[in-house]
Amino acid sequence: SQQGEEDPQALSIQEGENATMNCSYKTSINNLQWYRQNSGRGLVHLILIRSNEREKHSGRLRVTLDTSKKSSSLLITASRAADTASYFCGRSGAGSYQLTFGKGTKLSVIP
Amino acid sequence: EAQVTQNPRYLITVTGKKLTVTCSQNMNHEYMSWYRQDPGLGLRQIYYSMNVEVTDKGDVPEGYKVSRKEKRNFPLILESPSPNQTSLYFCASTRGDEAFFGQGTRLTVV
Repeated sequence: SQQGEEDPQALSIQEGENATMNCSYKTSINNLQWYRQNSGRGLVHLILIRSNEREKHSGRLRVTLDTSKKSSSLLITASRAADTASYFCGRSGAGSYQLTFGKGTKLSVIP
Repeated sequence: EAQVTQNPRYLITVTGKKLTVTCSQNMNHEYMSWYRQDPGLGLRQIYYSMNVEVTDKGDVPEGYKVSRKEKRNFPLILESPSPNQTSLYFCASTRGDEAFFGQGTRLTVV
């Protein structure tokens, strides 16, 4: 399986600041996806980046992927209190739908 | 509305009493999976199914069974639940590369 981790485990910022969280993995991936989870609820897909892409944007989200370092980062710009949630990266290998997640980053945005 | 529906949302049961958590999706997806989420351990895959009658073990399958008799349903079966199966369970249905998650089932085994 695609073992890896998100970091930091927890992040607390003021509203309006940018939030950056990172994801590392150990084996080759087909794509990497970021999900958001509000407390105790199901994960919601945010953005996907394929192994041949280096950067993607969606609204206030920016994702980068560095396959040489086996890492990805998620940047949320101009954070809002409503962004408070846990964020997970899901990795899938070549030809597989199987997603492996880490422990997530718990983001708190203080109004 | 596209959705993945799990039932029940909350369940308290006793050790050894067989239970089933149902999962249904209305998106005609072929791939479905079950995860459990525990504090400090993140999400771990229990079982997955590539299509009807095709299931396979994930990372933590011990103590669980699944079936996939029809495309829309993927129930999770605990034949003899134990306290270490107390957890938050999620069913997911996948279209292409995007997974859609149910709202979760919080299971407590006493």
